[in-house]
Amino acid sequence: ILNVEQSPQSLHVQEGDSTNFTCSFPSSNFYALHWYRWETAKSPEALFVMTLNGDEKKKGRISATLNTKEGYSYLYIKGSQPEDSATYLCAFIQGSARQLTFGSGTQLTVLP
Amino acid sequence: GAVVSQHPSRVICKSGTSVKIECRSLDFQATTMFWYRQFPKQSLMLMATSNEGSKATYEQGVEKDKFLINHASLTLSTLTVTSAHPEDSSFYICSATGLAGGYGYTFGSGTRLTVV
Repeated sequence: ILNVEQSPQSLHVQEGDSTNFTCSFPSSNFYALHWYRWETAKSPEALFVMTLNGDEKKKGRISATLNTKEGYSYLYIKGSQPEDSATYLCAFIQGSARQLTFGSGTQLTVLP
Repeated sequence: GAVVSQHPSRVICKSGTSVKIECRSLDFQATTMFWYRQFPKQSLMLMATSNEGSKATYEQGVEKDKFLINHASLTLSTLTVTSAHPEDSSFYICSATGLAGGYGYTFGSGTRLTVV
């Protein structure tokens, strides 16, 4: 059983604060790491697909980094806004399998 | 972009009855469908993987006779929870990949099943 862990489990920040979360995963036989943003009653929305060690990706105020050798990825949100409130999921793909193994998510609440 | 429509979003059923959940890919052909469930405070856990026209592959511990998966077309996959019991109450969600393959997975919006 693959172990994908996310921390923190939940987070409350003030509007305008910057924040970051961690996703750790097995460092062996890495294939890809996905980040999703999931709002209640909606479908998870893909943020990033990361495949190479050292990858850094950015989408507006959100960015992510990847370290496959040590098995972790960080997601950063700069200048958090209330609309950033959601659960952020990471999911890991190992080897040639196509299945995503998910972490339990970080629930972010941005207070106005 | 790619969209997967999942219905129903919520369902309450009596113990012993069966419930069908549908996932339709609206603008692409879903060659592979993944079905997950999520219990409170836990991760999305893969239940089964189905390829169009083939029998589903179930994860260890998931009863194939209880959770019937049909993926008869490239745009529709269904999960039927047969003889549902209160312990089957959970959140079920599908995810599809298309002919283009690659890294893209498109999710439905999930179904909250409550068995009373």
